[in-house]
Amino acid sequence: ILNVEQSPQSLHVQEGDSTNFTCSFPSSNFYALHWYRWETAKSPEALFVMTLNGDEKKKGRISATLNTKEGYSYLYIKGSQPEDSATYLCAFDTDKLIFGTGTRLQVFP
Amino acid sequence: DAGVTQSPTHLIKTRGQQVTLRCSPKSGHDTVSWYQQALGQGPQFIFQYYEEEERQRGNFPDRFSGHQFPNYSSELNVNALLLGDSALYLCASSPGASTHEQYFGPGTRLTVT
Repeated sequence: ILNVEQSPQSLHVQEGDSTNFTCSFPSSNFYALHWYRWETAKSPEALFVMTLNGDEKKKGRISATLNTKEGYSYLYIKGSQPEDSATYLCAFDTDKLIFGTGTRLQVFP
Repeated sequence: DAGVTQSPTHLIKTRGQQVTLRCSPKSGHDTVSWYQQALGQGPQFIFQYYEEEERQRGNFPDRFSGHQFPNYSSELNVNALLLGDSALYLCASSPGASTHEQYFGPGTRLTVT
């Protein structure tokens, strides 16, 4: 059974703080790793698809890195804003997506 | 351009009943995947439909079945509902069975009493 783990489970930060979360996945038979942002009552929104070891992707204040050899990816948010409050999901891609349980981020003004 | 839409938004059913959930994919997408998200869990893959056939299936019993129509919309059917089937059911569409471009709908919240 493939296991995808995310930590921490939840995070509360002040506006302006930078934060990061971890996604751990099997290091063998790697194809791709996805990050999604999911606001309450909305659809999960794709942030990044990462395919190469050492990959680093950036979208505004959010960036992600990938280490396929050791099986982890980090998601960073620089200068968190209240609108960043959401659940951040990673998914290991084996031609179907295997999701972690997510990190719930709450940013307080 | 409408994204992925799902209906209904919420649904309450009784144990033993049957339920049908519906999904319309994003324009230009021909593949639909279904996921179940139980409380406190990440979404779990149920199955994927491409060219009106089930292309892949996750670890779900036969009570879960689906269908894809010629217009690429899809239905998820669950028979003999159990309390444990209470969950958010997400539909995702993509072009050509790709996992790289999956767009999700807002989900259908199913409560089984």
